Parts: sequence; structure tokens; C-alpha cells
Amino acid sequence: NAGVTQTPKFRVLKTGQSMTLLCAQDMNHEYMYWYRQDPGMGLRLIHYSVGEGTTAKGEVPDGYNVSRLKKQNFLLGLESAAPSQTSVYFCASRGQTNQPQHFGDGTRLSIL
Amino acid sequence: AQSVSQHNHHVILSEAASLELGCNYSYGGTVNLFWYVQYPGQHLQLLLKYFSGDPLVKGIKGFEAEFIKSKFSFNLRKPSVQWSDTAEYFCAVSPPVHRGQFYFGTGTSLTVIP
Repeated sequence: NAGVTQTPKFRVLKTGQSMTLLCAQDMNHEYMYWYRQDPGMGLRLIHYSVGEGTTAKGEVPDGYNVSRLKKQNFLLGLESAAPSQTSVYFCASRGQTNQPQHFGDGTRLSIL
Repeated sequence: AQSVSQHNHHVILSEAASLELGCNYSYGGTVNLFWYVQYPGQHLQLLLKYFSGDPLVKGIKGFEAEFIKSKFSFNLRKPSVQWSDTAEYFCAVSPPVHRGQFYFGTGTSLTVIP
């Protein structure tokens, strides 16, 4: 049982490049989330999804886009990477609103 | 906007000392409350959760938390910490009426000295 899997685990980009982070969960969860974690700022919600085909903005959505074409996958895209987007990105999923989130291992992204 | 406040940013304790980490939230309705732990280099893991019922909840590894509705607080406690408790601790709130939303505090870094 893999739980929540994030790919890639590490990536270095140049300013202006684009990339997509993939999150896959095998627990048939409805809700999926993308967070960024920066020192001293905790986890900040970027976007989330309450079901297949739906997405919603979180606290810090600017510069990111997401898609949830399949229930098990939640993609986070950076169209034009900026140094301010250097961070550790975590994906999470949960089944219902009264359940906790399950987290992936994170993606460490550096933008030069 | 909803918020979750963790007042202690960095706590240093000796082994066997007692721990209490504060968490306050700003939301007037029903909430689900969580404490997560993040060990160095790892992802977040659930320590304990409160949905309803007994306001004193017990979690893994000897942790417990008390929900005090009148104070909008959900403080985490452990009677005797161990070196292996060195980690970052996050409080989180999920208001059921805000379908899907999940709010984290900024975290408290705990260092336990052997």
C-alpha cells in the first residue's frame, strides 16, 4: 500500500522554466491538497480538490495551476518558475472532512 | 480569514521534562482539530485528532491534547519527553462547513537534549 506518492523527489529549475509535480494516491480519497513548506511559515495551502474534476484556490495560489482529471492524481504545475517558488512541496489526501490528511514524502524544488 | 496560532516557535527541553505546546484557532463553529509531527527529513504524520466527545484525546507515543472550546485552544502535552521526540509539531484545524479546507499553524520546533 503506497499511500501518497510524489514525483519527482528533487528538482532544480532555471527561472522561467515550467514543470509539473505529480501526486498519486491509492486510497480512493476524495480530497487532495498541495502545500508548500518554507522555514518559519509552516505549511501553506496552494490549491486543493474536493473531488475528481474539481479544484479550488488555497492561501497562496498565484504562479501555480492544478488539475484533477483522475481521482487518484493531483497535478501541480509551475508555468514560469520564479526563485520565490523554491520550497518543499507536499501533497496530501483524505477521505472525508472528518478524517486526517495523509502526506506524501515531499518534493524539494530549487529555482535558480 | 481562518487562522491557527502556535505561540511557541522553538522549544528546547531536557529529556524527561514535561511538554506543552499551545495552539489557538480563530473559528467560531464546529471544528475538527489535529496535531501532526514532522521528524527531520520526513513528511507529516498524524499524532492525534479531535472530532467530538471527550475533550481530552490521546494519541500515539504518549502524546495527548485537550480541547477547550471556550478558549479556542487545543494544546498538546506529553508528561516526559524523549530525545526521539525532537521534531516539528503542527496544529491544524478543519471546519467541516468549509468543505475541503484545512488550516495549519506555523509549527513549533522541539529540540530534546539528552
